[in-house]
Amino acid sequence: AQTIHQWPVAEIKAVGSPLSLGCTIKGKSSPNLYWYWQATGGTLQQLFYSITVGQVESVVQLNLSASRPKDDQFILSTEKLLLSHSGFYLCGGGGQNTLYFGAGTRLSVL
Amino acid sequence: QQQVRQSPQSLTVWEGETAILNCSYEDSTFDYFPWYWQFPRESPALLIAIRPVSNKKEDGRFTIFFNKREKKLSLHITDSQPGDSATYFCAASPGNYKYVFGAGTRLKVIA
Repeated sequence: AQTIHQWPVAEIKAVGSPLSLGCTIKGKSSPNLYWYWQATGGTLQQLFYSITVGQVESVVQLNLSASRPKDDQFILSTEKLLLSHSGFYLCGGGGQNTLYFGAGTRLSVL
Repeated sequence: QQQVRQSPQSLTVWEGETAILNCSYEDSTFDYFPWYWQFPRESPALLIAIRPVSNKKEDGRFTIFFNKREKKLSLHITDSQPGDSATYFCAASPGNYKYVFGAGTRLKVIA
């Protein structure tokens, strides 16, 4: 069974500061990887997906970027945080027509 | 724009009753419909999923009914338990690595 590990668990950051969130998936070779964002009490908004190393497709950017440096790793980052970046960031992974989420990272931007 | 709509926004049922959560969509290219449940302070977990080749998918107390002609589906939770209290998300994908989520239904089961 695949497992998805996200780090950090939570972050409190200042407006204008940089951010890097990570995700590692185990138990699945060549997985599809995803980043989602969820506002408090809101729905899930897909940000990025990647089907292979080095290739990332943007769905909604929100002044964020993503990279896939390794087959099992997905990184979400920005150089300058905005207040609107606060929320719950979820890394997803799976094969064709399967999507499972990691435990998520809670981000508060102050 | 691809959209997935859920109703009701919130639902309260008594323990043992059947909870019915509704979902509708517009895009005919959607061919995979997973449901997720999310407990407070946790990430969403895949609950059950269906593809349009079927009109029903059952897993224990959870059943999806699918009406392709009307572009509607519903999740039935029979013999509801307090532990089923969560937010349920209906999602849809056309198979191009994009998943669209509805706004969710907040279910509360009272003992």
